[in-house]
Amino acid sequence: SQQGEEDPQALSIQEGENATMNCSYKTSINNLQWYRQNSGRGLVHLILIRSNEREKHSGRLRVTLDTSKKSSSLLITASRAADTASYFCAGYSSNTGKLIFGQGTTLQVKP
Amino acid sequence: GAVVSQHPSRVICKSGTSVKIECRSLDFQATTMFWYRQFPKKSLMLMATSNEGSKATYEQGVEKDKFLINHASLTLSTLTVTSAHPEDSSFYICSASGAREQYFGPGTRLTVT
Repeated sequence: SQQGEEDPQALSIQEGENATMNCSYKTSINNLQWYRQNSGRGLVHLILIRSNEREKHSGRLRVTLDTSKKSSSLLITASRAADTASYFCAGYSSNTGKLIFGQGTTLQVKP
Repeated sequence: GAVVSQHPSRVICKSGTSVKIECRSLDFQATTMFWYRQFPKKSLMLMATSNEGSKATYEQGVEKDKFLINHASLTLSTLTVTSAHPEDSSFYICSASGAREQYFGPGTRLTVT
C-alpha cells in the first residue's frame, strides 16, 4: 500500500479547542510534511519537519516526529471554524523517492 | 511560492469520450510532474510520474493506455483519460517538483456520465 495511517479519520471539535491528528507510516521516509485540503480543492502545504527534527512550530501549528515509532502528530491550537478541512501527512519514501500520503483526517470545527 | 495550475477545474463528459487535463508550472521549470487521483473522502493515490522528454512511469495497477501522459515541455504535463467511463469519475491532482518540494495544482473534478 502506498499510504500511511492517520487517526482519527474524522474529528469534530468546538471553536477554540485544540485539534490533534496523528499519522503513522510503515516504510522509511524522509522529511514528513503536513498538507491541508479544503473540500474539493487542491493541497496547501502547511509545514515540513525534517527527519532529524523532533518538533516544529509554525503559528498555531505544532508538529512532532518520532522516527523510531514512525509516527507524527499535528496539533492545531485555538482552532477556528476556518480550520475545517482535511489534513494529510506525507513523506518521501526512502526507497522510491515518491511522496506517500496518509489517509487523512477530516476536521470539523464548529463555531 | 511556486504556482501550479490545472485546466480545466471541472469537466463533465459522456461515457466513451476522451478528456485532456493540463498541468502547468507557472513560474518554474519542472522536469518531473506527478499525477494523483483522489476518490471522495479518500487520500491521494499516485498514478504516474511524468518526466519531461521521456515516457511516464506508472504505478502498479494504473493502465497506461487508459491514462495517457505527455510531458512535452518543462512547464506542461497533460493527462488524457481515454474512453472515459463513469468509474473514471474522480478528482485528479497534479504536482510539479520544485527546488525544495512538490507544488500541487488545484485539482480537476472529472465527472463521466
